[in-house]
Amino acid sequence: DVKVTQSSRYLVKRTGEKVFLECVQDMDHENMFWYRQDPGLGLRLIYFSYDVKMKEKGDIPEGYSVSREKKERFSLILESASTNQTSMYLCASSFPTGGEETQYFGPGTRLLVL
Amino acid sequence: EDQVTQSPEALRLQEGESSSLNCSYTVSGLRGLFWYRQDPGKGPEFLFTLYSAGEEKEKERLKATLTKKESFLHITAPKPEDSATYLCAVQGTTDSWGKFQFGAGTQVVVTP
Repeated sequence: DVKVTQSSRYLVKRTGEKVFLECVQDMDHENMFWYRQDPGLGLRLIYFSYDVKMKEKGDIPEGYSVSREKKERFSLILESASTNQTSMYLCASSFPTGGEETQYFGPGTRLLVL
Repeated sequence: EDQVTQSPEALRLQEGESSSLNCSYTVSGLRGLFWYRQDPGKGPEFLFTLYSAGEEKEKERLKATLTKKESFLHITAPKPEDSATYLCAVQGTTDSWGKFQFGAGTQVVVTP
């Protein structure tokens, strides 16, 4: 069974703080993703990675950075948290299987920036 | 740019009352269309992948179909445990492979 875990379910941070969100998958997946989910907007891709130390910007990378030092771990970093980054953050992983790109999601981290 | 629109935004059903959810999409070459189920406070759970028009997939009371412009998720004789938000996503062939475009979802409530 695919398992994607996220370091925290809930986080409360102050404006200007540096925030780290961690994601770990246990299925040796090549690809990992970070999304944020806001009511009425659906899931929006922040960054994704297709290999260790490789990353690509998604649709809304501003204010975020990522790190992938090991295959199983993908970190999302908010360099200086702002209130408009209050959101649900979802990590996902996938591997190409004959062209199929099924993504498996973690439980999410609900971040509140005060 | 790839776009996905889901309708209705919300759907309230009586137990046993079958219905369909719509996912309309525009994409320059479809690599795959994905359906997910999301329970409150949890991450999306994968349901189906469809690749080409005419394809259908079933799982228990759920059946997904695909045309060139839209996909339907049919819920047959729903039960209260089918209550969830259903998300649709597309992956195009011309955009960066990693980019999935998600719809805003349809929130389904099934009452006993």
